[in-house]
Amino acid sequence: QSALTQPRSVSGSPGQSVTISCTGTSSDVGGYNYVSWYQQYPGKAPKVMIYDVSKRPSGVPDRFSGSKSGNTASLTISGLQAEDEADYYCCSYAGTWVFGGGTKLTVL
Amino acid sequence: EVQLVESGGGLIQPGGSLRLSCAASGFTVSSNYMSWVRQAPGKGLEWVSVINTGGSTYYADSVRGRFTISRDNSKNTLYLQMNSLRAEDTAVYYCARVGATTKYSFDYWGQGTLVTVSS
Repeated sequence: QSALTQPRSVSGSPGQSVTISCTGTSSDVGGYNYVSWYQQYPGKAPKVMIYDVSKRPSGVPDRFSGSKSGNTASLTISGLQAEDEADYYCCSYAGTWVFGGGTKLTVL
Repeated sequence: EVQLVESGGGLIQPGGSLRLSCAASGFTVSSNYMSWVRQAPGKGLEWVSVINTGGSTYYADSVRGRFTISRDNSKNTLYLQMNSLRAEDTAVYYCARVGATTKYSFDYWGQGTLVTVSS
């Protein structure tokens, strides 16, 4: 399975909104409503922020939201805060799992 | 409290073998799907393997035939036996629980253990 496609980097100013895209195929993102998103700080383990395309685990701020259209999923972070600066990875279940290449979010 | 603690990483020569362990607490390994995910230095996450509640195992193409995932129910521990190691297997290896309520995402992760394959 090929990795899902994410932009290498995105940036935004505090208070703004940013959207990270995740493009796959009809065999993964488009074929299942099982896209998840992970936040990772340098040297730390990933943390799930969104699962099943748009569901938030307990404790994740509602500033984080997920959606999907066709073969592309998106993570939107509204009201950007300095602490949101991290790497973000999408992941799709497709019989097994496939991750995106990761997006570095910079808060200006 | 759910915790996953990996161990067993280290420096190994190409062609060598290594066994990683992931000790779980706060839940029962055999009642959950459990996975290994790795991250090469400076690179993204790569799913490696999963074992389901029935004991069936699945692998990424890059490790199939070389790696074996298993668990010891009495020790509540997950393992990854890695044989015929290559330089491209160098990575931090994380064990992760596949979500208890949603079986398609990883809800808890260990801190990772570094495997370096080099002569």
